[in-house]
Amino acid sequence: EAAVTQSPRNKVAVTGGKVTLSCNQTNNHNNMYWYRQDTGHGLRLIHYSYGAGSTEKGDIPDGYKASRPSQENFSLILELATPSQTSVYFCASGDLGGSAETLYFGSGTRLTVL
Amino acid sequence: QQKVQQSPESLTVSEGAMASLNCTFSDGTSDNFRWYRQHSGKGLEVLVSIFSDGEKEEGRFTAHLNRASLHVSLHIREPQPSDSAVYLCAMEGFASALTFGSGTKVIVLP
Repeated sequence: EAAVTQSPRNKVAVTGGKVTLSCNQTNNHNNMYWYRQDTGHGLRLIHYSYGAGSTEKGDIPDGYKASRPSQENFSLILELATPSQTSVYFCASGDLGGSAETLYFGSGTRLTVL
Repeated sequence: QQKVQQSPESLTVSEGAMASLNCTFSDGTSDNFRWYRQHSGKGLEVLVSIFSDGEKEEGRFTAHLNRASLHVSLHIREPQPSDSAVYLCAMEGFASALTFGSGTKVIVLP
């Protein structure tokens, strides 16, 4: 069974603090993604990666950095957290395109920035 | 930027009645569309992936794609209370990243 594990499950941070969200996949997928989910917006793509060492900007990258040190791990970094970044964050892995079927999602990290 | 408009925002149906959800997208450049389900507090579960015009069935879930009208729909046959969830359509774009609709909250009454 393909697996994507996110940590932590919940995080409370203070404005201006640094936050790192971690994601690990055991699927050997090349592509990994970070999304945030907010009421009324669905899921929006923040950053993605094609493989170890690569990071690309998604639709809403401002205020976020990403790091892909290995095939398995993809981190999302908030250098200076703001209350507007309070959200639920989802990591996903997959090798989509053509008839490839599935993007596997983690169970989410709920971040609250006070 | 690609946009996906999803409707209705919420839908209440009785157990056993057909449920129909809709998405329209801003352009016809994508080839791949997917429907996901998200139970409260959980991650996303893929239901149907559709890559060509027409119909694709996965169990009680059927997706219809019409690229000419920029429209993809999902029909849930004989919905059950356990199908109560938020349903999200998604369009695959550059680098296989998905652009999601804002979701339809489906409530199935017993």
